[in-house]
Amino acid sequence: EAGVAQSPRYKIIEKRQSVAFWCNPISGHATLYWYQQILGQGPKLLIQFQNNGVVDDSQLPKDRFSAERLKGVDSTLKIQPAKLEDSAVYLCASSPTGELFFGEGSRLTVL
Amino acid sequence: QKEVEQNSGPLSVPEGAIASLNCTYSDRGSQSFFWYRQYSGKSPELIMSIYSNGDKEDGRFTAQLNKASQYVSLLIRDSQPSDSATYLCAVLGAGSYQLTFGKGTKLSVIP
Repeated sequence: EAGVAQSPRYKIIEKRQSVAFWCNPISGHATLYWYQQILGQGPKLLIQFQNNGVVDDSQLPKDRFSAERLKGVDSTLKIQPAKLEDSAVYLCASSPTGELFFGEGSRLTVL
Repeated sequence: QKEVEQNSGPLSVPEGAIASLNCTYSDRGSQSFFWYRQYSGKSPELIMSIYSNGDKEDGRFTAQLNKASQYVSLLIRDSQPSDSATYLCAVLGAGSYQLTFGKGTKLSVIP
């Protein structure tokens, strides 16, 4: 069974630039999550989708972050404009019912 | 705000010893509890899940849950250097699919 796919794996940008991350979940998993993990901390939930609807985006900085899940499958997370504090690993995960399966993550460095 | 607390460590144990990792949570209605292992530079991987009070054993790993004390623990018997990683406790909120992570405990197993 294929796992959660994410791209790009690494991205370096300057502050105020924009970046987009892509995620393809495990086939059949209705729930998709984007987490932000800053070095030395646990993952922090940014947004949770159930099929193509948003379940929870209470911790998403909506002035600069946006996310969508088209047709209930793939998802993109966008940051515009990026700040230095956005440097982190962005983890996508999918779940059938509660247990999360993570992708390899996208490491963002903002200079 | 739902909280999951872990001692950040590092926790150092000699090879062959028992490593004990602890976690407390604030949401009394939580029903599902997970332990993830995260190697440096890698994404979290699920190693144990527990849903009811008591112990659950899987190989060298034992998860323990005490809902009255809002406490979850993970025991690793016969610790190996390959167990050296950060262990993340995660709690599923009552009536939701939102998984909240602790900051993780870094474990070092000394040969």
